Amino acid sequence: QVQLQESGPGLVRPSQTLSLTCSVSGASISSGVFYWSWVRLPAGKGLEWIGRIYNSGSPTYNPSLKSRVTMSLDTSHNQFSLKLSSVTASDTAVYYCVSGDYYGRGDVWGQGTTVTVSS
Amino acid sequence: SYVLTQPPSVSVAPGKTARIPCGGDNIGSKSVHWYQQRPGQAPVLVIHSDSDRPSGIPERFSGSNSGNTATLTISVVEGGDEADYYCQVWHGSSDVVVFGGGTKLTVL
Repeated sequence: QVQLQESGPGLVRPSQTLSLTCSVSGASISSGVFYWSWVRLPAGKGLEWIGRIYNSGSPTYNPSLKSRVTMSLDTSHNQFSLKLSSVTASDTAVYYCVSGDYYGRGDVWGQGTTVTVSS
Repeated sequence: SYVLTQPPSVSVAPGKTARIPCGGDNIGSKSVHWYQQRPGQAPVLVIHSDSDRPSGIPERFSGSNSGNTATLTISVVEGGDEADYYCQVWHGSSDVVVFGGGTKLTVL
């Protein structure tokens, strides 16, 4: 059974870079079986897909965030990460890491981590 | 970009049937997934691939997809079904995942 756990700072200053890590248990991130994604939920709004990465392939990103997002895999620690640069208050949200399949199905979700952008 | 449209809210009395639509251009040609999200909790997959239920999801949850509309149907609605529901697809031509805006289901 795959389990996911997000970690990272809960507070980020405006214009800085948000960095989150998702620790994976129950599966190898390099197995080529799962797609690893990030999704966020801003307060009072709906779910927003940020991007996904597969095995050692090139990640794909939400076009609206593409210029600021970087996702990567850390196979030595069985983790994947998210970096979002030049953050503003509109990036304040609960961030989830998700495992799923080629067709975007999100089978397993982390519990989520709240990130607030504020000075 | 591909857009999925959901009504902001749907209300239903206990024991009745709730239907939550998700509109998109020729969505019937895509594989639609549905998530339930209760306040303070992570989303849970309730329907995948248009109409398949993951293990542990009650049979009261069903899905359909044709033409320009996919629908999540919840029969014999219970108070515990009150939550936000999101549809989702993968838009293959641009290799992006898209969520609908979400529908808040209120049980009267």
